[in-house]
Amino acid sequence: EDQVTQSPEALRLQEGESSSLNCSYTVSGLRGLFWYRQDPGKGPEFLFTLYSAGEEKEKERLKATLTKKESFLHITAPKPEDSATYLCAVQAYGNTGGFKTIFGAGTRLFVKA
Amino acid sequence: SAVISQKPSRDICQRGTSLTIQCQVDSQVTMMFWYRQQPGQSLTLIATANQGSEATYESGFVIDKFPISRPNLTFSTLTVSNMSPEDSSIYLCSVGQGAGANVLTFGAGSRLTVL
Repeated sequence: EDQVTQSPEALRLQEGESSSLNCSYTVSGLRGLFWYRQDPGKGPEFLFTLYSAGEEKEKERLKATLTKKESFLHITAPKPEDSATYLCAVQAYGNTGGFKTIFGAGTRLFVKA
Repeated sequence: SAVISQKPSRDICQRGTSLTIQCQVDSQVTMMFWYRQQPGQSLTLIATANQGSEATYESGFVIDKFPISRPNLTFSTLTVSNMSPEDSSIYLCSVGQGAGANVLTFGAGSRLTVL
């Protein structure tokens, strides 16, 4: 069964304190791994797509990496505005053709000034 | 990226009633998806709604409970039928974009509370 597990569930950081979020997955027929950010009361917002092991993507203070079994979202010198829930998702081929995106439970990040 | 508008943004409903959620996209898209996000949990795919074909439902979701319409390339509706308190959740519409339509853009969601 396709599955996505994120850890930790919640992470509290001081401003400037770098850390990493983990996403481990099992999926047959991986089309891609995605990171999204979700703010309270809003839908998830796309951050990165990773397709193959060894691939890395960066955006401002965020860097996403991918191995064959997991992905990391590294946050360097975070600021309070980085506080949000970060969702990892894998995209797999569906049973009836097409594809489906499976989300992890997310990591709630709190950055204190 | 596409801009998605959902209506209603929130509603309080009585047990046994039905509610239809509307999803309007500002551009034509082939693939649309409906997700449910229960309190404190992640997103669960309800169904895929592609224009010109019947919606495809995920395990645990059935058409009688969650009928979906997709009349054109910019609009879809999801009905939550015969609601119970367990249906209290946020329902999100999303569309696939980018190469292979694999990047999801989401609406802000519709928060339903069933009493």
